[in-house]
This record gives sequence, C-alpha cells and structure tokens, in this order.
Amino acid sequence: GQSLEQPSEVTAVEGAIVQINCTYQTSGFYGLSWYQQHDGGAPTFLSYNALDGLEETGRFSSFLSRSDSYGYLLLQELQMKDSASYFCAVRADTGRRALTFGSGTRLQVQP
Amino acid sequence: EAGVAQSPRYKIIEKRQSVAFWCNPISGHATLYWYQQILGQGPKLLIQFQNNGVVDDSQLPKDRFSAERLKGVDSTLKIQPAKLEDSAVYLCASSLSLVDRWTSGRFLKAYEQYFGPGTRLTVT
Repeated sequence: GQSLEQPSEVTAVEGAIVQINCTYQTSGFYGLSWYQQHDGGAPTFLSYNALDGLEETGRFSSFLSRSDSYGYLLLQELQMKDSASYFCAVRADTGRRALTFGSGTRLQVQP
Repeated sequence: EAGVAQSPRYKIIEKRQSVAFWCNPISGHATLYWYQQILGQGPKLLIQFQNNGVVDDSQLPKDRFSAERLKGVDSTLKIQPAKLEDSAVYLCASSLSLVDRWTSGRFLKAYEQYFGPGTRLTVT
C-alpha cells in the first residue's frame, strides 16, 4: 500500500516563502502530484514530478527526490488567496494509476 | 472548456436510505474517478473507470456502494443503504488518459486530474 506524511498546518505571512514537505512510502512509484483545495472547493492540480529535481510553475515550485521518498511544494511571494489546503498525492507504479492522497497541509497566510 | 459537472451539490438523508450521485466528466476524458473525502482528510479513491470498464474498485465497499459508467461518458455512484460514516464529500474527477502517452502529436497527461465541485452528503 501507500502512505504519505505531510504537516497538518503551516502559517506564514504575506510575501513570504513557505515549503510544505511530503514523505511517502509506496510499494511502487510513478510520480508525485500536488493539489490545492480551498474550503468548500474542488482540488485543483498544481504540479507533478516523475523525475528527481525541481519543477517551477510561476510562484509555485515542486521538488522530488526518489531516493529519499521525499518531495516538497514551495510557494513564493505568498498572497492571501494562497490560504488553502495542499495535498501531496502519489501515483503507484502498478496497473492502478490512480492517486493516493496525503491528509493535507492547511496553509494560513496572515497579513 | 466546461469542467467536471456533479449533482446534486448537497444531500441530506437518514441512515439506511439510498442516495445516488451523478457526474459528467470533461468531454474527451477517458478516465473517470470517484473519491470520498471525509472532513479533514485527503480524497480517497473509491473506483476508477477507463471508458466504461472498471480499472480499480478495490477500495469500494461493495456491500453498499455501486457505480457505473455505461456509455463511457457520465457516471453514477450509489449508496444503499447509507450509514452515518458515509457522511463526506463525494468528488468526481476525470483525466485524458489512464497512462501518460503521446498520441497524434499530443501528450496526454494522465496525472492531471480535473475535479468536480463534489456532492456533500450528510447522513443523519
């Protein structure tokens, strides 16, 4: 099976940089995704890493180390609208390619 | 392009009653997923379809839950009978493909799933 660990809550101020870590255990590994979910809203795709290294998309970057079973999401120039829950999710390297989600990190951005 | 549509948005039922949710994925998306999200947790996959075939239903409580995607487009998820612990948001998602692949000069990202707004179910 798969299991993921991420911090339950993170607080940061507007304009700052915050890093949300994710460690995973899986019997197989295909890739690590990150999703954002505002309260009452649907998860929305942010980024995906299949290979080691950093992927940058605007203010958001995601990093993966397959050897360490570890990844992180980096949010720069934080804005109030970034207050949301952030989920890492693993795709296992099996015929079942669906996502297994972590429990989520609630990010609170303060003025 | 229109997003994933779900209905109803909210449903309140008593335990032991039945309920059905409907999902219409993004046009052209072959893969459809149903997730259950309990408050404070991440979405948990219930069932995954590729066109009208089931790819994975290993986490679906088959004694009370059922799902179908008869024509390979929209899908319904049913709970019968409902229990208190079924109170959750039921999310439908779709993706272009089951696996990442190139076809006709286009890269289909299986990993990018698009979620609908969900149905919030309360069982009393």
